[in-house]
Amino acid sequence: GAGVSQSPSNKVTEKGKDVELRCDPISGHTALYWYRQSLGQGLEFLIYFQGNSAPDKSGLPSDRFSAERTGGSVSTLTIQRTQQEDSAVYLCASSSTGFDGYTFGSGTRLTVV
Amino acid sequence: DQQVKQNSPSLSVQEGRISILNCDYTNSMFDYFLWYKKYPAEGPTFLISISSIKDKNEDGRFTVFLNKSAKHLSLHIVPSQPGDSAVYFCAASRNAGNMLTFGGGTRLMVKP
Repeated sequence: GAGVSQSPSNKVTEKGKDVELRCDPISGHTALYWYRQSLGQGLEFLIYFQGNSAPDKSGLPSDRFSAERTGGSVSTLTIQRTQQEDSAVYLCASSSTGFDGYTFGSGTRLTVV
Repeated sequence: DQQVKQNSPSLSVQEGRISILNCDYTNSMFDYFLWYKKYPAEGPTFLISISSIKDKNEDGRFTVFLNKSAKHLSLHIVPSQPGDSAVYFCAASRNAGNMLTFGGGTRLMVKP
């Protein structure tokens, strides 16, 4: 596709359940990022994948969060044992080697009830 | 430690007037700066950028100014239009890398 695609667009889950969020980046973009935006907050960095290098996981808030990127393309962000404070919009972005900024997806709005 | 800060959470401007959004940074290694605009229920979209070798970049109604000595950049929108109402994020990167650090955003409201 022409843009970054994220699914689902909305997810409501019960506290304690696991969720998986998917990101399909722009074809050919080597870098992929996950951010989240909590209500009234700015963009919080979570994790960064660059090519075949080990990901930068320094932004993950706890060990309940993990992400993988298969085949250098699609990425899945997994949140285990969700808590109410995990409620946020989770944004994925990708960028090319010749850096010109990110292209963001529309995000997944996660609500933990 | 927030390396990129937008100290004004919101700004209200009359249509046709100038909107000035400000951003401060602390990391002197940052050498590339960007502004993104975000509408509700959408991802942020790239608006304008500036390299540290410049102090001004203009694109239509949008101009970004960079003051390296003050570690400050600003986005000017003139004339402001109701469709400009959105949250604006500034972001910075260093050493031609593609890792961006974002500010907390400023919500701009342009009143007709």
